[in-house]
Amino acid sequence: GESVGLHLPTLSVQEGDNSIINCAYSNSASDYFIWYKQESGKGPQFIIDIRSNMDKRQGQRVTVLLNKTVKHLSLQIAATQPGDSAVYFCAENGRGGYQKVTFGIGTKLQVIP
Amino acid sequence: NAGVTQTPKFQVLKTGQSMTLQCAQDMNHNSMYWYRQDPGMGLRLIYYSASEGTTDKGEVPNGYNVSRLNKREFSLRLESAAPSQTSVYFCASSDESSGANVLTFGAGSRLTVL
Repeated sequence: GESVGLHLPTLSVQEGDNSIINCAYSNSASDYFIWYKQESGKGPQFIIDIRSNMDKRQGQRVTVLLNKTVKHLSLQIAATQPGDSAVYFCAENGRGGYQKVTFGIGTKLQVIP
Repeated sequence: NAGVTQTPKFQVLKTGQSMTLQCAQDMNHNSMYWYRQDPGMGLRLIYYSASEGTTDKGEVPNGYNVSRLNKREFSLRLESAAPSQTSVYFCASSDESSGANVLTFGAGSRLTVL
């Protein structure tokens, strides 16, 4: 069935290194993808988004890459900091209408000081 | 600017009891949502409201009811709580005027049903 999922449930990274969080999706009709960050005890917070007509989008220390050929999405965090420790969700928008945003199960990023 | 505010933050219920989770947003967003978050299952949509006066079922609506009281407020009601409804509940809102559906979430309400 259709799904949005993540390859790695937990990722440990040394402070200062770059982090890469991966996400696979199965619905080729999806046209919009979003990354959210959820810190402990808080709600998810928007990080960055990308449309299907783009391959790459950059923000502040974050880059999202989209490979439509293999239905793969990644979030790259440069110079990872302790404040980046959180659970990261990729989300797919478009299936069933724009209101229905579907989330993956999440990847926990642990930053080692 | 408070964003999305949910109450209560914590609640313990006994099986069969009822309760209402309250949500309000001050961003003038048209759409509002209720999600539940369970370990290993991500966020699942319970109900959403595309505009004032309309509500629609999401992925897991059974056992819940909602009310879009006005543009600001969207409540979630459990009429007869069951242990399977133990979860963290998130309210969210969005503005689709840009063509993108970016959600703004509240801080969550942790519900335990004994």
